[in-house]
Amino acid sequence: AQSVTQLGSHVSVSEGALVLLRCNYSSSVPPYLFWYVQYPNQGLQLLLKYTSAATLVKGINGFEAEFKKSETSFHLTKPSAHMSDAAEYFCAVSESGGSNYKLTFGKGTLLTVNP
Amino acid sequence: DGGITQSPKYLFRKEGQNVTLSCEQNLNHDAMYWYRQDPGQGLRLIYYSQIVNDFQKGDIAEGYSVSREKKESFPLTVTSAQKNPTAFYLCASSMQLQPQHFGDGTRLSIL
Repeated sequence: AQSVTQLGSHVSVSEGALVLLRCNYSSSVPPYLFWYVQYPNQGLQLLLKYTSAATLVKGINGFEAEFKKSETSFHLTKPSAHMSDAAEYFCAVSESGGSNYKLTFGKGTLLTVNP
Repeated sequence: DGGITQSPKYLFRKEGQNVTLSCEQNLNHDAMYWYRQDPGQGLRLIYYSQIVNDFQKGDIAEGYSVSREKKESFPLTVTSAQKNPTAFYLCASSMQLQPQHFGDGTRLSIL
């Protein structure tokens, strides 16, 4: 079984400040990990993915995430927040290998960016 | 451009009615999924299908039904047995072990 915990349902930062969105996972096998972003009344858009290659993953819009196996974490960061980053962010885990297609999502973190 | 099309964008259901949400993809993906999204709940898997003519229940399948007669299409029916159907419904598709691609969703409300 796999699960995802996103710490903080709402994070507020000032424009230009560091963005840090936390994600911890549990998985019985080596995981694949994903971050998605959702703007109001839209579907989810993939930001980045970890699939057992480099532990520091760079994504779109200046976001990156680091896979830390010892901490079972996959936190999302961006050095400088922009107003356009305001959205809801979801972390998701999938089991690597086999024929598993399924993702398990966290409950999401709403990011607010203040001018 | 390839993508996933969900229709309609907004849907209203009367008590006791069944309604069907459409999902079509032209990405040639094998797998398709239906999720329900409620505020503060994240995404919960309703049904998924890995190949044509086969599908599996997800975590909250009660009150819903699906079919997968064509690779491109995976319609979701919200039946009258679903007592709390008001939600945002998202369809997705993927290849094996690849990220899921999402449609823009259908918002279902009860009249």
